[in-house]
Amino acid sequence: GESVGLHLPTLSVQEGDNSIINCAYSNSASDYFIWYKQESGKGPQFIIDIRSNMDKRQGQRVTVLLNKTVKHLSLQIAATQPGDSAVYFCAEMGMDSSYKLIFGSGTRLLVRP
Amino acid sequence: NAGVTQTPKFQVLKTGQSMTLQCAQDMNHEYMSWYRQDPGMGLRLIHYSVGAGITDQGEVPNGYNVSRSTTEDFPLRLLSAAPSQTSVYFCASSYRGKTQYFGPGTRLLVL
Repeated sequence: GESVGLHLPTLSVQEGDNSIINCAYSNSASDYFIWYKQESGKGPQFIIDIRSNMDKRQGQRVTVLLNKTVKHLSLQIAATQPGDSAVYFCAEMGMDSSYKLIFGSGTRLLVRP
Repeated sequence: NAGVTQTPKFQVLKTGQSMTLQCAQDMNHEYMSWYRQDPGMGLRLIHYSVGAGITDQGEVPNGYNVSRSTTEDFPLRLLSAAPSQTSVYFCASSYRGKTQYFGPGTRLLVL
C-alpha cells in the first residue's frame, strides 16, 4: 500500500512480474530526465535517461516513458528480480547551463520471492 | 578509475564544531555538486560547480560553504554544525551535467 508524509510510497511486486514506477515532475521547462536506483547505504546509481524531445526510451529490462502534457514520467522494469529491490528516484534538469538536478521524493520497490 | 570518492564515511560532531567533507573525482568532469538526503526523502542540492573556480548555490545552501580550486576536488565545509545538518551527504560529478555519478556518501550526525 501507499503512505505519505515522511514515508516513501512503496510498490510491492512478485518476482518475475513487471513493475511500473511513476513520477510527476514539477517544471514544464525541464528538458532532461533521469531515473536513479538507490540501494540501502549506497549512493544513487544511474538507470536510464530521456530527453524532452522523446516520449520513450528503452534499456536493458527498463523503459522510460515521458508524457510532457501532464508532466509525468514512468519507469517500467520487466521481469522484476530481487536485486531490483531499492528506492527509485526520478530527477529533472532544466535547459539552462546550471545543470541543476531536482529530485523527486522516491518510490520504494519491494520484490517478493 | 575510482570514480567519485568521499571521505569520511561517518562523522559525529558536536553543535558548533566545524568540519570539511571531502569529495574527489578522477573522470575529469567539469560539473560537481553536493546533495543532502534526509530519511525517507529525495536528494536536495546544496551547492554546485560548473568548473574550477566557479561555484553557485543550490536549493539548501545555508550553513555550507564550498570552493573549487581544482577540477578533481570539491570540498564541502560546515563552519558551525547544527543538529539540523544531521543527514547523509552525497557528492556527484558529471560531464556537462549529464548522467551524474554519485559517491558512496558521508553520514553525519550532529549532537
